[in-house]
Amino acid sequence: KNEVEQSPQNLTAQEGEFITINCSYSVGISALHWLQQHPGGGIVSLFMLSSGKKKHGRLIATINIQEKHSSLHITASHPRDSAVYICAVWPGGGADGLTFGKGTHLIIQP
Amino acid sequence: ETGVTQTPRHLVMGMTNKKSLKCEQHLGHNAMYWYKQSAKKPLELMFVYNFKEQTENNSVPSRFSPECPNSSHLFLHLHTLQPEDSALYLCASSQVTPFYGYTFGSGTRLTVV
Repeated sequence: KNEVEQSPQNLTAQEGEFITINCSYSVGISALHWLQQHPGGGIVSLFMLSSGKKKHGRLIATINIQEKHSSLHITASHPRDSAVYICAVWPGGGADGLTFGKGTHLIIQP
Repeated sequence: ETGVTQTPRHLVMGMTNKKSLKCEQHLGHNAMYWYKQSAKKPLELMFVYNFKEQTENNSVPSRFSPECPNSSHLFLHLHTLQPEDSALYLCASSQVTPFYGYTFGSGTRLTVV
């Protein structure tokens, strides 16, 4: 079973700061998701990565398959970025369920 | 809306009740999933349906009964639940071949009293 660890668990920062959230996993995977969950429960998929780096607006996600590690960066953070960010790994092979980290609770203060 | 619609959004039920959660997607995906999110715990996979066939049951108690009549609809039938079953139940869908990621619904917040 894949163990997915996220750090930090909680993060409070000031508006404008550069944010980094880390995710490590124990078993090789085919892809990794970064998800965002706002209060109220809905989950939005931010990125799916299998190698390298992806960028969408102020969000950047990187993955190092050899080191079994991924990072999510937020540049010029804003209070609307406040949410829980969840890392989830997909083993590959078809309709497999994801294994999730516990999430990082991010609060951006104005 | 993400393309995956779950109803109801909130549900309060007694331990002797029978209720059903519904999930619907019109994204053309061929796999659907039920996940459970309990307080202070990671999301946990419950069931996977691939082309309407159940391919995974992650040791879920029989008081949870899934049904997938077609590739667009997924149900979770609930009966004689316990208070510890109170949680957020999330549905997701994905395209399996080729796999290009998940779309999640907004979830049903279930409270068992």
